[in-house]
Amino acid sequence: SSELTQDPAVSVALGQTVRITCQGDSLRRYYASWYQQKPGQAPVLVIYGKNNRPSGIPDRFSGSNSGNTTSLTITGAQAEDEADYYCDSRDSSGNHWVFGGGTKLTVL
Amino acid sequence: QVQLVQSGAEVKKSGASVKVSCKASGYTFTGYYFHWVRQAPGQGLEWMGRINPNSGGADYAQNFQGRVTLTRDKSIGTAYMELSGLRSDDTAVYFCARGVSGYDWDYFDYWGQGTLVTVSS
Repeated sequence: SSELTQDPAVSVALGQTVRITCQGDSLRRYYASWYQQKPGQAPVLVIYGKNNRPSGIPDRFSGSNSGNTTSLTITGAQAEDEADYYCDSRDSSGNHWVFGGGTKLTVL
Repeated sequence: QVQLVQSGAEVKKSGASVKVSCKASGYTFTGYYFHWVRQAPGQGLEWMGRINPNSGGADYAQNFQGRVTLTRDKSIGTAYMELSGLRSDDTAVYFCARGVSGYDWDYFDYWGQGTLVTVSS
């Protein structure tokens, strides 16, 4: 399968912890990357590989992997974390990429 | 600093073609793949394809096979995405992104600002 499945929407209270998940067969073979996208802006990479954060991404963002599921965890969510989050990985062919459908995170 | 700067918005008629450019600066152009991703209004991200800027070799998503062509001009450090046979559902923002790949991991670390392509009938 070349699909990545995400919950369409998740909410979290300010300062609490939230986990956003992504499922797909290709995740058994390839690590996913995670992108944050705010309205009208290009996506921004927040997590890649096993659990790596690019420079400038706060350490409240972390990633984990188990079987066919990858997760993005925000520990102590802030108002500015409200955004759409997308996972992405190669598909089973190894030469194509696929995005999850995206998760809209609301910080209450 | 690394920058990817895309060409401006386009309005096209159904059936026409559009060519979007992505000019890279701040790094060695041939060192990283270019990926193209689109986003229809209110929808998610959709991977379209990638090009090796050194060899020019490209891979295309099945949804776009035969309609999309990725090219590059090494002399000016610019990648291009051409989409033909435009339909109304091709109305979207088109992004270029720099791809970094390892054995079992990948990511897109820099993105262009996006180019809105509007297809009208």
